[in-house]
Amino acid sequence: QQQVKQSPQSLIVQKGGIPIINCAYENTAFDYFPWYQQFPGKGPALLIAIRPDVSEKKEGRFTISFNKSAKQFSLHIMDSQPGDSATYFCADYNQGGKLIFGQGTELSVKP
Amino acid sequence: NAGVTQTPKFRILKIGQSMTLQCTQDMNHNYMYWYRQDPGMGLKLIYYSVGAGITDKGEVPNGYNVSRSTTEDFPLRLELAAPSQTSVYFCASSSGQGRDYGYTFGSGTRLTVV
Repeated sequence: QQQVKQSPQSLIVQKGGIPIINCAYENTAFDYFPWYQQFPGKGPALLIAIRPDVSEKKEGRFTISFNKSAKQFSLHIMDSQPGDSATYFCADYNQGGKLIFGQGTELSVKP
Repeated sequence: NAGVTQTPKFRILKIGQSMTLQCTQDMNHNYMYWYRQDPGMGLKLIYYSVGAGITDKGEVPNGYNVSRSTTEDFPLRLELAAPSQTSVYFCASSSGQGRDYGYTFGSGTRLTVV
């Protein structure tokens, strides 16, 4: 089974810190790596995504960095805020075009 | 704009009971999915559908069944509930398949089997 390995499982940072969440993939069908954000009691929602023809993608305070040779990509949250506290999932597409998710990272940003 | 609606939000079942988790979307999406979320395990695909009348198994289909009689609805059926099916279930939909087609998720159904 195709997998996406995500770490760490949980992360606590102070407000203003830069949490980093890492993912490693095995094979990719669509060369497209999205991140989903999930608040407590809600379903995941698409946050940001990257195509591997670029090494970095920024949207506001969220940045994805991509290392194609290592088959790894990371999410960085600049100037993190308590409102960023959520569970974050990286994802990849399998050969059938379905999303497969990493294990999730529960982020807590302390005031 | 409701998006993807799941009912019920919470349910407690006894071992051996059956139930149907409801999912409906109002975005006219052809593709619909059921995932289960367990702590530290991420989301695992149970079943998916590429259109009315067409369904297929995902990664963890055992113990579940689905049907897709309309574009809008994609119910998930548990026939003989087992403690291993205690989980949070999410329904999702997309307008296409692959990149450029993000998934829209419902708010989930938290199921406990005792």
